[in-house]
Amino acid sequence: NAGVMQNPRHLVRRRGQEARLRCSPMKGHSHVYWYRQLPEEGLKFMVYLQKENIIDESGMPKERFSAEFPKEGPSILRIQQVVRGDSAAYFCASSPQTGGGGTQYFGPGTRLLVL
Amino acid sequence: GESVGLHLPTLSVQEGDNSIINCAYSNSASDYFIWYKQESGKGPQFIIDIRSNMDKRQGQRVTVLLNKTVKHLSLQIAATQPGDSAVYFCAENILGGSEKLVFGKGTKLTVNP
Repeated sequence: NAGVMQNPRHLVRRRGQEARLRCSPMKGHSHVYWYRQLPEEGLKFMVYLQKENIIDESGMPKERFSAEFPKEGPSILRIQQVVRGDSAAYFCASSPQTGGGGTQYFGPGTRLLVL
Repeated sequence: GESVGLHLPTLSVQEGDNSIINCAYSNSASDYFIWYKQESGKGPQFIIDIRSNMDKRQGQRVTVLLNKTVKHLSLQIAATQPGDSAVYFCAENILGGSEKLVFGKGTKLTVNP
């Protein structure tokens, strides 16, 4: 039973380029969450999605960042015109349910480095 | 509160000893708590969770204690092994509220053989 899959595991971009991070939830999970982690810090919530719907994007920067979870295929976190401050580890988590303490299971993360 | 960019608290123990990792959570309305283990270069791994209607929950070699009065959570690891070396995070959530987890600062556990 595969866990949460993320790719790429490492991504290097130059300032001004676009970064696309992909996340495939665990089988049977329909809820996806994106978190960001800076070195020696805890994870910070960015966005919560269900299929074709953004439920909570309160942690997303207002500009340059967007997320989607289409009916078919993985969830995508997209960062346009990246800046050095975007360098971080981005983790995706999935859960089978909400409201009832649905535990979030995390993927291995994508480490983004902006040169 | 939210994590800040400070050096991680560290705990160093000898193999075979018991470890206790502490966490102060921020929101008195939180009613669901999770401990995660994060090894270097990997994603957080679920260890154990507890709801606010409990004050103690045990798993395999791990016990979580919850003190709602002082908003304190602890993770006890029995007979700590070198493979337990990692950063441990507590996370809080409000059941039925926002689905986002709020993570604590993290504690780096080092187990010496």
